[in-house]
Amino acid sequence: SQQGEEDPQALSIQEGENATMNCSYKTSINNLQWYRQNSGRGLVHLILIRSNEREKHSGRLRVTLDTSKKSSSLLITASRAADTASYFCATEETSGSRLTFGEGTQLTVNP
Amino acid sequence: ETGVTQSPTHLIKTRGQQVTLRCSSQSGHNTVSWYQQALGQGPQFIFQYYREEENGRGNFPPRFSGLQFPNYSSELNVNALELDDSALYLCASSWGAGQSETQYFGPGTRLLVL
Repeated sequence: SQQGEEDPQALSIQEGENATMNCSYKTSINNLQWYRQNSGRGLVHLILIRSNEREKHSGRLRVTLDTSKKSSSLLITASRAADTASYFCATEETSGSRLTFGEGTQLTVNP
Repeated sequence: ETGVTQSPTHLIKTRGQQVTLRCSSQSGHNTVSWYQQALGQGPQFIFQYYREEENGRGNFPPRFSGLQFPNYSSELNVNALELDDSALYLCASSWGAGQSETQYFGPGTRLLVL
């Protein structure tokens, strides 16, 4: 079953703009992770935020986590055409170390 | 590159056949998780192996089975293949099950069942 739900399902922006993707989940979690996937290839880990953290930065990425609302957001600033990919949030539940993925947001960055 | 490798990269089988997919974990990692990703969907957890023992299983039938070897590499076996088994199969390695560690994914094996 899919726990995380990403919003929007698809996002198309111009190079240089910021992209924001949201994720909601249902159960208690140890952490939430964001991954990127280029066209049916393997997943690339972007960032992990633990349940006791509220915000984390990595380069052009900013992730927030609101455990009271069971939601997270991923912000990509100054987007580039190379950022075009599918982005997935994945939660690691307190009951174990499996990751539960959402269905992803397809981001298209137009040059 | 994550250091996680999978073989083969692509595979075509027919219904009823059996398939074995392989995964070599990143150096130093003792945990391997397997996921199935159908087209247009997010990955779904199949099972996890930690130090050669199964450590959690998702909602997949028993014809999906696995193995982890002393060097922590792993195999995923699927018997009696069905058309719906067509998917990208991903393995991920990490250090320590249940310790909130990042999982590093391999490039996947794309299986087509005809």
